[in-house]
Amino acid sequence: AAGVIQSPRHLIKEKRETATLKCYPIPRHDTVYWYQQGPGQDPQFLISFYEKMQSDKGSIPDRFSAQQFSDYHSELNMSSLELGDSALYFCASSPGQFGYEQYFGPGTRLTVT
Amino acid sequence: SQQGEEDPQALSIQEGENATMNCSYKTSINNLQWYRQNSGRGLVHLILIRSNEREKHSGRLRVTLDTSKKSSSLLITASRAADTASYFCATDAADSWGKFQFGAGTQVVVTP
Repeated sequence: AAGVIQSPRHLIKEKRETATLKCYPIPRHDTVYWYQQGPGQDPQFLISFYEKMQSDKGSIPDRFSAQQFSDYHSELNMSSLELGDSALYFCASSPGQFGYEQYFGPGTRLTVT
Repeated sequence: SQQGEEDPQALSIQEGENATMNCSYKTSINNLQWYRQNSGRGLVHLILIRSNEREKHSGRLRVTLDTSKKSSSLLITASRAADTASYFCATDAADSWGKFQFGAGTQVVVTP
């Protein structure tokens, strides 16, 4: 079965650079979520989209922005990167907005040096 | 702050034994999900249990939910070495559909 695809899988950036993470949800899933997981920590909700509209926002820094496109893929844009942004970034998708399982992608490991 | 807290933080058992871990949360929820994560890898969805459900099974997994105690348990029966992983519960609060907050996780080690 098709799963959530994330690219790139690994990314190394320097401080103050910009990074773009991409997420391709499971086909026919219209809801996308972004999570950040720091080393040894649990995943933290960043932002979600339903039908290309932002549906909820968590602890996402103002330096980050995201959007969902007409084909339902989503991109997380991160600017002015800081060392503390080094983490695993997960995208998850679900077939609806309320009450559905969230299926996670393999994650993008971002390292900021 | 974390919505869910898990207990124990770490669990070491032998193959064939059962593993039980608990998750407590603070506010009323819509749904609770359990995930498994191998070190540094992605999160694998195990089970979703809705607030009006009390128990669900999937293979060797059994999840219970007690909304009066704001707690859930995950039981893995007849554990295998491949079950070694961290297990997380995640809840979405009643006023935040789909915005799942994760607990700190239980690290399970199953030795052959």
